[in-house]
Amino acid sequence: KAGVTQTPRYLIKTRGQQVTLSCSPISGHRSVSWYQQTPGQGLQFLFEYFSETQRNKGNFPGRFSGRQFSNSRSEMNVSTLELGDSALYLCASSQGTSGYEQYFGPGTRLTVT
Amino acid sequence: GDSVTQMEGPVTLSEEAFLTINCTYTATGYPSLFWYVQYPGEGLQLLLKATKADDKGSNKGFEATYRKETTSFHLEKGSVQVSDSAVYFCALFTGGGNKLTFGTGTQLKVEL
Repeated sequence: KAGVTQTPRYLIKTRGQQVTLSCSPISGHRSVSWYQQTPGQGLQFLFEYFSETQRNKGNFPGRFSGRQFSNSRSEMNVSTLELGDSALYLCASSQGTSGYEQYFGPGTRLTVT
Repeated sequence: GDSVTQMEGPVTLSEEAFLTINCTYTATGYPSLFWYVQYPGEGLQLLLKATKADDKGSNKGFEATYRKETTSFHLEKGSVQVSDSAVYFCALFTGGGNKLTFGTGTQLKVEL
C-alpha cells in the first residue's frame, strides 16, 4: 500500500499571504489528523477529520482551517501568515474511528518570510 | 489535561551500548501509549505501542512496557546501532477521536 503523501514538500510564503497544504491518506483510511512541529513548541495537534467532519480541534487560532473530501483527502489552510507559522506540518491517517495506529506523511516544510 | 514528559536529549551512545529513554505520562482514563521515531528530514514512524497496563510493545529490537503504577513507558534497546540515530517521541492517546499528545522528543546519537 502507498503511504501517506503530502504536497508540496517545501513552501516559502510571505507574511500576510495564505497557503493550502494537501494530504492523501493511506487507501481505506478515513481519519486524517494534522500536526504542527516547531523546535520551540514541539508537536502540536491542529485538527482531525473523519468522514468529512471535523471531530477534534487543537488550540490554534481561526486562521488555521481544514477540510476533508469524500475520497478522504484533506487540505489545511492557513490565512494571513505570520512568521511564527513557519513549521513542519505533518498529516497522519488512521483506519478507524478512535485509537487506531496513526501513520504519518513526510510533512510539508513551510517557511514564512 | 493529558501530558507526556520525556528525558532531555541529546543522548549520545557508542554502538552496541544499552539504550533507555524515559517517558512518563499524565492522563485521564486509560491511555494507549506509543513510541514514534523521526529520522532527519522525514515524518514520524510508529515504532511500537501498548494499549493496556503491563503490555509490552516491541519492534526492531526496541521494547517498552506500559507501567500503570508508575505511569511510565520507557523505551529500551539492548544494543544500539549507528542507524538508530534519530529523534524519539513518546505519545499517548486517550480516546475520543484520534488526537495524539506527544512528548518533546529525545534525540539519540549513536557513534562508532
